[in-house]
Amino acid sequence: AQKVTQAQTEISVVEKEDVTLDCVYETRDTTYYLFWYKQPPSGELVFLIRRNSFDEQNEISGRYSWNFQKSTSSFNFTITASQVVDSAVYFCALYNFNKFYFGSGTKLNVKP
Amino acid sequence: SQTIHQWPATLVQPVGSPLSLECTVEGTSNPNLYWYRQAAGRGLQLLFYSVGIGQISSEVPQNLSASRPQDRQFILSSKKLLLSDSGFYLCAWSAGPNTGELFFGEGSRLTVL
Repeated sequence: AQKVTQAQTEISVVEKEDVTLDCVYETRDTTYYLFWYKQPPSGELVFLIRRNSFDEQNEISGRYSWNFQKSTSSFNFTITASQVVDSAVYFCALYNFNKFYFGSGTKLNVKP
Repeated sequence: SQTIHQWPATLVQPVGSPLSLECTVEGTSNPNLYWYRQAAGRGLQLLFYSVGIGQISSEVPQNLSASRPQDRQFILSSKKLLLSDSGFYLCAWSAGPNTGELFFGEGSRLTVL
């Protein structure tokens, strides 16, 4: 069975703090993709990153970085020097066999 | 470039009334299409997905149904709405296997009273 767990329901930080959002997934398949999406208050989901199961290289994009570890089935997302505009709900997702499975989301509140 | 649109954006319906949400994709052919529901404060629940015209897979048994009458059109329907159908409905598409990325529409907020 496929499953994505985001144990952190809500996180609050003060601007400029670093924050890590956790994502743990379950799958028996060897080929799959992992994603992070951002959902700002407007509601539309915004794609942040995709990783395939054969690429464990960590990635950095500006203030965002992702740590993919197959050994622990985790795909964690770190925001460095958080900003108020980062406030949103963040979803981790697993894709294989035409279906996307989403975690329950982590609501991030960044306070000025 | 590819675009996805869904409508209506907001809908308030009484219990027992029918529902029709539409979604269209432009700029691509033979997309995989999806309907998700997001209840207030919760995650995304996959309702239906389609890999081709007339091919619908249901993930969760409920009083909703989906149809794909054309390649780039995906419709979510109900004959009689329940209170529990309230939520934020998102249509999405992907280019198929081995590509991965899912593109979302703007969403439709349904309130059943």
